[in-house]
Amino acid sequence: DAGITQSPRHKVTETGTPVTLRCHQTENHRYMYWYRQDPGHGLRLIHYSYGVKDTDKGEVSDGYSVSRSKTEDFLLTLESATSSQTSVYFCAVTASGSLYEQFFGPGTRLTVL
Amino acid sequence: GENVEQHPSTLSVQEGDSAVIKCTYSDSASNYFPWYKQELGKRPQLIIDIRSNVGEKKDQRIAVTLNKTAKHFSLHITETQPEDSAVYFCAASLNQFYFGTGTSLTVIP
Repeated sequence: DAGITQSPRHKVTETGTPVTLRCHQTENHRYMYWYRQDPGHGLRLIHYSYGVKDTDKGEVSDGYSVSRSKTEDFLLTLESATSSQTSVYFCAVTASGSLYEQFFGPGTRLTVL
Repeated sequence: GENVEQHPSTLSVQEGDSAVIKCTYSDSASNYFPWYKQELGKRPQLIIDIRSNVGEKKDQRIAVTLNKTAKHFSLHITETQPEDSAVYFCAASLNQFYFGTGTSLTVIP
């Protein structure tokens, strides 16, 4: 599982509230990613990080921000959650020593009411 | 950006038969093409991948083929078993991964 954990695993929140999801890895992977998974859309990249304090946007970054203050943690924040952000969120890493292969965390199911 | 299309969206096969899932991509610069298997409620798991300098790769009962000229790649599963039932996703990557919308495979015992 490439040493990836996500917290929380499930969350229900209300529209307009801030939400932070955490991805934690224990194997010193440099690259980390946040995806959302929705029926009919597959997996879509939100943001990614290529090092501490180095992040960039993916194809669906609007309404999301990220931070990476240490190698092991990559945080995804919804500043003001909306119902359209109800989804399953997956963190992923590129395995150390690999240029390509991505491995996923267990996912966080977020429901915004 | 890249656009990946995946077909079919659902596929049912009898146990022991072969299954083929096809993907097309739009950006000729994409150079890495992984396939993921996702069981219900679980994370996507990498099952096989291929790079743009290779035309075919096999791993036991699964294989992937890549046609760079036509910009399509396919997953082949032979001698299917009930435990192959899952959703399969293709992806194309240059700097970012772009995923297909998934194929739900059901293997009927």
